[in-house]
Amino acid sequence: GAVVSQHPSRVICKSGTSVKIECRSLDFQATTMFWYRQFPKKSLMLMATSNEGSKATYEQGVEKDKFLINHASLTLSTLTVTSAHPEDSSFYICSARDWKTSGIQGEQYFGPGTRLTVT
Amino acid sequence: LAKTTQPISMDSYEGQEVNITCSHNNIATNDYITWYQQFPSQGPRFIIQGYKTKVTNEVASLFIPADRKSSTLSLPRVSLSDTAVYYCLVGDMEDFGNEKLTFGTGTRLTIIP
Repeated sequence: GAVVSQHPSRVICKSGTSVKIECRSLDFQATTMFWYRQFPKKSLMLMATSNEGSKATYEQGVEKDKFLINHASLTLSTLTVTSAHPEDSSFYICSARDWKTSGIQGEQYFGPGTRLTVT
Repeated sequence: LAKTTQPISMDSYEGQEVNITCSHNNIATNDYITWYQQFPSQGPRFIIQGYKTKVTNEVASLFIPADRKSSTLSLPRVSLSDTAVYYCLVGDMEDFGNEKLTFGTGTRLTIIP
């Protein structure tokens, strides 16, 4: 199946700094990618839809100026957590759909996740 | 997207068959039922999808009654490596503009040796 990678896998940063997380579709092109956040023992919460060549669409309650999303190419989306605070510490996961090869309706491929810890 | 309800947690012994049921009373005509598996500190992984009756693949079976208001994921002869959270999702995910997935609480399955 298709592969989605994320970098870094884990990052520790100081409060007030910014952190960039990359999401790449390795063997397919993705015009749309999704960013989720997951707190310990909780479900995945969709943060935003990343659209190649246009602005991201954010879910209600997600601050677009704090979570900057850039989808500059068909294989790369980045999420930048600006002025990070300890409450931003979480597991961030991206996903994408390989429209050309997936025979399953709506099947998405998820990245391995990035664990962010803000101290 | 239809709301789903699953048990929060389940325990089972190795070698047994495990059935996890998901309720989705408001499922729409165009909605499919999809199950994902998530191991700790990993992204979810697609398990199986169905529309009606029964679907089987190499890892699981999915049973969907005629009214489609519920579905049951069946894992045959579970092993310790099946310990994970299992999510049931329902929606018409074929539309290009409606790809986003909404995850419910999921079922935390623990396999006991």
